[in-house]
Amino acid sequence: GQSLEQPSEVTAVEGAIVQINCTYQTSGFYGLSWYQQHDGGAPTFLSYNALDGLEETGRFSSFLSRSDSYGYLLLQELQMKDSASYFCAREGTGGFKTIFGAGTRLFVKA
Amino acid sequence: DAGITQSPRHKVTETGTPVTLRCHQTENHRYMYWYRQDPGHGLRLIHYSYGVKDTDKGEVSDGYSVSRSKTEDFLLTLESATSSQTSVYFCAIRPREAGVETQYFGPGTRLLVL
Repeated sequence: GQSLEQPSEVTAVEGAIVQINCTYQTSGFYGLSWYQQHDGGAPTFLSYNALDGLEETGRFSSFLSRSDSYGYLLLQELQMKDSASYFCAREGTGGFKTIFGAGTRLFVKA
Repeated sequence: DAGITQSPRHKVTETGTPVTLRCHQTENHRYMYWYRQDPGHGLRLIHYSYGVKDTDKGEVSDGYSVSRSKTEDFLLTLESATSSQTSVYFCAIRPREAGVETQYFGPGTRLLVL
């Protein structure tokens, strides 16, 4: 079964800030990645956290708290093109297997 | 563009027939992965490879086999296709650069099993 939990849908307004949360199981945890996927497209890598704290890449930031088994993706200055699905993915310590969450569908409204 | 192609991009087949999907990379990466994506399930790992002739199972490997006879090609075979294997299949590579666990995905193969 899924070892990551993330909301199924989030709706936000253009120009706003939105946070997508992800909780994960700690057994064999190595790091947390985030991917974006537009309808009909392939997932594309956004960010990776192996250590606690915030990683910033332009309008997108990702945060990890290993003690809380929790991370989030923060999207600032939302644009219509940010409407997509966002997946958190747990990297494991054995064999470089990745487990993906079921994804969060983000709708950006004008 | 990470130099990953998948073929075919679309396929319709009948239950019980074997199907082989091909993933090709041009950048000589060691790690390659096959995922399937279904609504409500995100991406689920089928099999992965960590070198030529070195493969291991993922979380949904039943009914699938893989082969990697050369670095650039990773083949996924559905031995006897079933309707439950109707899905979108993505191949990915993992460059393992600078301690960042990134994966780059191919464009996907849409498979319909009738």
